[in-house]
Amino acid sequence: AQRVTQPEKLLSVFKGAPVELKCNYSYSGSPELFWYVQYSRQRLQLLLRHISRESIKGFTADLNKGETSFHLKKPFAQEEDSAMYYCALRDPGYGNKLVFGAGTILRVKS
Amino acid sequence: KAGVTQTPRYLIKTRGQQVTLSCSPISGHRSVSWYQQTPGQGLQFLFEYFSETQRNKGNFPGRFSGRQFSNSRSEMNVSTLELGDSALYLCGSSLAGGTDTQYFGPGTRLTVL
Repeated sequence: AQRVTQPEKLLSVFKGAPVELKCNYSYSGSPELFWYVQYSRQRLQLLLRHISRESIKGFTADLNKGETSFHLKKPFAQEEDSAMYYCALRDPGYGNKLVFGAGTILRVKS
Repeated sequence: KAGVTQTPRYLIKTRGQQVTLSCSPISGHRSVSWYQQTPGQGLQFLFEYFSETQRNKGNFPGRFSGRQFSNSRSEMNVSTLELGDSALYLCGSSLAGGTDTQYFGPGTRLTVL
């Protein structure tokens, strides 16, 4: 069964510190991996996806098939990065069904 | 281009009642997915509709149903409401499938008393 695990419910860092939000998945195949972000009082929005390999707002994520991980990283955290982050997986053979992790709250302190 | 809209934004119902939620996807998008978001279970997939046909279904009881109209607007219905159905229901919209990005609406907050 497909599963996405985000081991940290809350990650608290100081402004300017590096950030790494962990995501591991279980899936026997070639999934698509995404990071979604939900800022306070805003809708869920796509942050990045592994197939585009782009950097959004300074965040990057690399798909490691050997470790079945898709960790989200940013070298220098900013206060406006404070939000809930969800890692999600899509099986290309199942339309648009997304399997989400439990989410990690990122708090960036000044 | 207008984003995904969901109506109503808030609903209060009592146990045993039924409820219908509506989602209007982005213009041109043909795929609509529904998710339930709760503090305990997180975001869980309910079902997906594409071109008026249910393409995928999550592990929810038959009390949860949906449909999609020819203009791609979608409704989901929950019958015989239970307290545990209290949640934020999110609608996701995408062009078709494959590598399309899924855009989400603001959600409908359902409270069951």
